[in-house]
Amino acid sequence: AQKVTQAQTEISVVEKEDVTLDCVYETRDTTYYLFWYKQPPSGELVFLIRRNSFDEQNEISGRYSWNFQKSTSSFNFTITASQVVDSAVYFCALNHGYGNKLVFGAGTILRVKS
Amino acid sequence: GAVVSQHPSWVICKSGTSVKIECRSLDFQATTMFWYRQFPKQSLMLMATSNEGSKATYEQGVEKDKFLINHASLTLSTLTVTSAHPEDSSFYICSARLASGGNEQFFGPGTRLTVL
Repeated sequence: AQKVTQAQTEISVVEKEDVTLDCVYETRDTTYYLFWYKQPPSGELVFLIRRNSFDEQNEISGRYSWNFQKSTSSFNFTITASQVVDSAVYFCALNHGYGNKLVFGAGTILRVKS
Repeated sequence: GAVVSQHPSWVICKSGTSVKIECRSLDFQATTMFWYRQFPKQSLMLMATSNEGSKATYEQGVEKDKFLINHASLTLSTLTVTSAHPEDSSFYICSARLASGGNEQFFGPGTRLTVL
C-alpha cells in the first residue's frame, strides 16, 4: 500500500526564518514519483517539484530546496528565509511509476508571521 | 501550457438537487482525468479516475450512482453530484494527465460546493 505521512500539522515561523517540512512515504514499488504542492487560501494547487525514485540528488530552486533520502523514505522540503507569501498548506504526494493514482499526505499548514 | 479549468468555481444549491461540475484541459488532450474531494482542513482524497470513452473507476466508499462521471472527449470530464445533501459540501478538484503519457497531473482550480 502507498502511504504518505506529514507529521507536522501546523508550523508557525517568523519571516526570514528557515523552515523544513517533513514527508515520509511508504511504497513497495521500486519506481515511484514524489511531489510537493502548495495550496494557498484560494485553494488552487500549485506544483512545486517532482522527483523520481532513481534520482536522489537534492534540488534547489531559489529559496526552496528538497532533500530526498531513500534510505529513510523521506522527501523533506526546506524554505530558506521564509516570507509571508509562503503561508499556505503544503502537501507531499506519491504515485507509482505508471501514471496512476496520487496519494497525498495530510498536509502541513505553514504560517509565516511578519 | 497544461492548463486545466473547472466550472463553476463555486456553487450553492438546495438539498436534493443535482449539480454538474466541468473539468476541461484547455491546451492539451487528456485520456485520464481524476476527481478529488477535499473537506475543510483535510487532505485531497481521490474519488474516481475518469478514462475517456470508458466507465470511471471509483475508489472504495465512493458511490458511483451518486457521483456520476462522464468523460466524453479528450478535453472534458464532468462530475455530477446527484441528489446533493449538506454532507456533500466540499471542495472538488479535478486533474488531468497528458494523453501522450507521463505521470504528472495538472490540477484545476477547484469547485467549492455548498449544499443548503
